[in-house]
Amino acid sequence: AIHLTQSPSSLSASVGDRVTITCRASQGIENDLGWYQQKSGKAPTLLIYSSTTLHSGVPSRFSGDRSGTDFTLTITSLQPEDAATYYCLQDYNYPWMFGQGTKVEIK
Amino acid sequence: QVQLQESGPGLVKPSETLSLNCTVSGYSISSGYYWAWIRQSPREGLEWIANIYQSGTRFYNPSHRSRVTISVDKSRNQFSLTLTSVTATDTAIYYCARRSFGGQKYFDYWGQGLLVTVSS
Repeated sequence: AIHLTQSPSSLSASVGDRVTITCRASQGIENDLGWYQQKSGKAPTLLIYSSTTLHSGVPSRFSGDRSGTDFTLTITSLQPEDAATYYCLQDYNYPWMFGQGTKVEIK
Repeated sequence: QVQLQESGPGLVKPSETLSLNCTVSGYSISSGYYWAWIRQSPREGLEWIANIYQSGTRFYNPSHRSRVTISVDKSRNQFSLTLTSVTATDTAIYYCARRSFGGQKYFDYWGQGLLVTVSS
């Protein structure tokens, strides 16, 4: 199975800050990585797929990038509504695996 | 508007069988996409369990393969999950979700989730 190591596990940042979350795959997964946002008590929602493609309706302050087996989710200007836990997901091959999550708090 | 809704028991006894349904509205299961079950627990985080295509093609997480069955009922526009011999480690929020089919890969619609507790 291809495992994902997500970091940091949590972070606290101020409104307007730039925030970066990293997900490292244990082997090559091409661009088959997505990012999901989960707010407290809710189901996850899709932010980015194919490592860099912004899902329809997602604010442009969210972006994704890839360098080899390292993937990043960046929020360029953190907003209060961005307080959530963020997960990466590899669906390159079975079994599909999620990262352990990054909890983002607003200072 | 595509919507998914999980249904099933909130409490199951150890060693029993858990059966969950996901009712899809706003989209016909027969039209395509994969249909998936995902669960979330404090111990394991988010965990993909299984998915099924409208043709009946199934894929399972090897971690649960011996206990899990996923099926689809096109006439009811539903798909289901059966998990046998449950233990406390199966306590989780169970989500059903729609997954794209083809080059672009994503889960774009999710149910609200159903908390299932395994306890005597």
